[in-house]
This record gives sequence, C-alpha cells and structure tokens, in this order.
Amino acid sequence: AQSVTQPDIHITVSEGASLELRCNYSYGATPYLFWYVQSPGQGLQLLLKYFSGDTLVQGIKGFEAEFKRSQSSFNLRKPSVHWSDAAEYFCAFITGGGNKLTFGTGTQLKVEL
Amino acid sequence: DAGITQSPRHKVTETGTPVTLRCHQTENHRYMYWYRQDPGHGLRLIHYSYGVKDTDKGEVSDGYSVSRSKTEDFLLTLESATSSQTSVYFCAISEYGTGGPNEQYFGPGTRLTVT
Repeated sequence: AQSVTQPDIHITVSEGASLELRCNYSYGATPYLFWYVQSPGQGLQLLLKYFSGDTLVQGIKGFEAEFKRSQSSFNLRKPSVHWSDAAEYFCAFITGGGNKLTFGTGTQLKVEL
Repeated sequence: DAGITQSPRHKVTETGTPVTLRCHQTENHRYMYWYRQDPGHGLRLIHYSYGVKDTDKGEVSDGYSVSRSKTEDFLLTLESATSSQTSVYFCAISEYGTGGPNEQYFGPGTRLTVT
C-alpha cells in the first residue's frame, strides 16, 4: 500500500541545535515529495518539494531535505533551529492522478530555549 | 498567500443536523480538495474536484458529499453530522503544471464540533 511514515511523533531540540525529521515512503516508483509546516491554529505552509533532479532541495526558512531513493526517505534538516520553528511538520507525497496528497501523521517539534 | 477562504471558521452543531462548509478561492485553480485533520492521523482526503461538476472520493468519504458549481467554490456537506465528524477541516487548491503536479495551497481551516 502507498503510505508515508513519520516515525517520530514528538521531537524536542534546543534552540541553535541541528534538526532532522525523518520521512519514509512506500511506493513503487519515485513520488513527488513535499514537506509542510503547520503552526498552532494555522493552515499548512509548504516548506519544500522534490519532483526530480538534484536530490538535495532547499526550502524556505532555512530548511533543506534530501531524497534518498535507496532508503525511500526524504528527511528534513535544519542546521540551527530557532524558537519560531516550533510547529508540526508533515511529510506528504503525490501518487496517481488527481494531484492527491497522502500525508504522514506528522512530527510535533518543540524548541527549548 | 494563496487566496483561499473557508467559512465558517468555527461551528458547533448537534448530532443529526446537516452542515455545509464552504471553500472559496480567487486563484482560478482547477483542483480543489477537502481534508480532515485528526490527532494521530495527519490529514486525510475526503473528496476532491478536478473541475466544475467533476468530483471524486478520497480516503474517508463516507458521510460526506461535495459540490462544485463554479470554479471558485467547493462545498462540503455533512448530511447528518455525527460525533466522529468532529474535526478540523481544511480546503486546498492546486493546479497541474506542464512539468507535473504543483503543490497544494491550504486554507485556514474550519473547526467543527458535533455534540
């Protein structure tokens, strides 16, 4: 079955520390991959996307993600976390027609000052 | 920010009553979507539309219907609301580019409570 797995439900990091959020997908081919962020009480905002080409993609707010086909992963990274990065992060992919997104269950990031 | 509004933003209703949520866009995008967000489940697709009067079911469509009579509006109807439909509902829009699918833009959400 096609699915997206975010193994970490909650992650806590100190401000200034590096961050890596994990995302694994299950699909027979290379999907179109996305990371979204949701601040409390808000809608979702796109951080970055991967369709093809360079496997390291840069996004907004200093985030980047690396697509690894051999590991079916698309992990999100940031070298130095800011307190304002505290939010919920969702990995998602598009497969099939209709431009439909399948989401992971999300990772809640807490930033300690 | 993409021009997407949802109304109402908050609603409390009783079990068994009909409820309609509205999504309005000003971007003239072809695709529109309704998701629900529940703790531990992420976002799950309810229904989507790929054009005026063209709709299809998503992963969790039971108990929901949709309509799209014009490009800018996509309505989600709960014919007889149940407590299991208490959730936050998000509308999204997207367009299909020449290079492939484009990202979806999300509205601010509607918090629905069914008592």
